[in-house]
Amino acid sequence: QKEVEQNSGPLSVPEGAIASLNCTYSDRGSQSFFWYRQYSGKSPELIMSIYSNGDKEDGRFTAQLNKASQYVSLLIRDSQPSDSATYLCAVPTGGGNKLTFGTGTQLKVEL
Amino acid sequence: EAGVAQSPRYKIIEKRQSVAFWCNPISGHATLYWYQQILGQGPKLLIQFQNNGVVDDSQLPKDRFSAERLKGVDSTLKIQPAKLEDSAVYLCASSPVSGNTIYFGEGSWLTVV
Repeated sequence: QKEVEQNSGPLSVPEGAIASLNCTYSDRGSQSFFWYRQYSGKSPELIMSIYSNGDKEDGRFTAQLNKASQYVSLLIRDSQPSDSATYLCAVPTGGGNKLTFGTGTQLKVEL
Repeated sequence: EAGVAQSPRYKIIEKRQSVAFWCNPISGHATLYWYQQILGQGPKLLIQFQNNGVVDDSQLPKDRFSAERLKGVDSTLKIQPAKLEDSAVYLCASSPVSGNTIYFGEGSWLTVV
């Protein structure tokens, strides 16, 4: 089992819809979780972090964490074409010292 | 606050040649990372430094890759000799502490022909 797994997509949603991106992880000891956005040809940039079970909202973005199910998700409300990018899930592994990334989910928001 | 600086941004070399990438982390960040990102994949950690000591280099191909972080600030990643499969973006990142939010530089794009 991979340490961090994501569906590679592409995930296509119409403009204004909710995009739901999912991530599972294998290390039950992980305590913090990060979502990065990567535009084509650019480096990853942090958009959300979450540490506790439940939801964390920041503008149009909501991160959801379920440690019992080892599952973290990112919801993007009112999706815009500018949200089209690859979304990377990252989880500290190896005792928390190493940040491991999933393969990323490509999101396409269509007009 | 200045971000993570990397150079060169782009490099094309022939296989079996050597290449070196330089990184200057955000001021005050103790932890420095080198990630390799192949097209269509997520970043893969090559090596992680805490100050000038190596924390993790388990995925660094040590027969051809080397990295150093002298004086706990700047870092250099070297590949010698390069192979075609080394074509990737080499991302340098830094964080105040290990396992915390990391900040990426713009990356160094390597094409091996």
